[in-house]
Amino acid sequence: EPEVTQTPSHQVTQMGQEVILRCVPISNHLYFYWYRQILGQKVEFLVSFYNNEISEKSEIFDDQFSVERPDGSNFTLKIRSTKLEDSAMYFCASSVLQALNEKLFFGSGTQLSVL
Amino acid sequence: AQKVTQAQTEISVVEKEDVTLDCVYETRDTTYYLFWYKQPPSGELVFLIRRNSFDEQNEISGRYSWNFQKSTSSFNFTITASQVVDSAVYFCALSEVGDYKLSFGAGTTVTVRA
Repeated sequence: EPEVTQTPSHQVTQMGQEVILRCVPISNHLYFYWYRQILGQKVEFLVSFYNNEISEKSEIFDDQFSVERPDGSNFTLKIRSTKLEDSAMYFCASSVLQALNEKLFFGSGTQLSVL
Repeated sequence: AQKVTQAQTEISVVEKEDVTLDCVYETRDTTYYLFWYKQPPSGELVFLIRRNSFDEQNEISGRYSWNFQKSTSSFNFTITASQVVDSAVYFCALSEVGDYKLSFGAGTTVTVRA
C-alpha cells in the first residue's frame, strides 16, 4: 500500500533555531495536512493545504509556522524560531479529496525535541 | 469543549481477553463521520475504520468490532481475543460538516500482556 513518508524521524534542535520537517505525500493525493501530538496529549490539527495554498489553519499555527510544497513531491513544515513548547511528534497526512468521510493517510511522524 | 472523549487512559489485559474502548462524541451536525486510528509503538497513525452518522449497523472486521449508538453518541471499539500485537494507542476521531479536519480524542493506551 502507498504510504506517506516523513523525514527525519527524530530532530533535535536548540531553542530559537529554525527547523524544517519534510513529508512526501502519496503521489495522487491533492490535500495535505500537518498534525502534532505533544507527549501524552491528543493529536491536534495544525494546517491543511491544497492547490499550493493553506485551506485551513488552527490557532496553534501562528506566524512562526509555514508550509510549502517546493516541488511536485515534497510538503514541508517550517518552524521559524523554535520554542520549548514546540516539542512534539509532528504528523504529515494526505488525502485524495477533502470530504467528511475521507480517509487520511498519516506518516510515521517526526519527533521534534527543542532543547 | 471536547468533541471526542475517550475516558479510558490506559487498559491492560492478558492475551486472549476481550477489550472494549469507549468513545463518546459531541456534535450538532446530523451528518458526520467517526474514525478509529491505531498508533503502534512505531509511531504512525493507522486507519482502522470510518462510520457515517446515518449508518448505525455494527461492523466486524476479524477480531475488531465497532458499536455505533447515536442515542448515546458513542462509537465503541472492541478487540476480541486480544494479542500482544494489539498493544498500541487507539484514537477515536470526528469529522463534521464544514470542518473537514479530524478532531481526535485523547487516546487509550492498550497493553496486552502475554
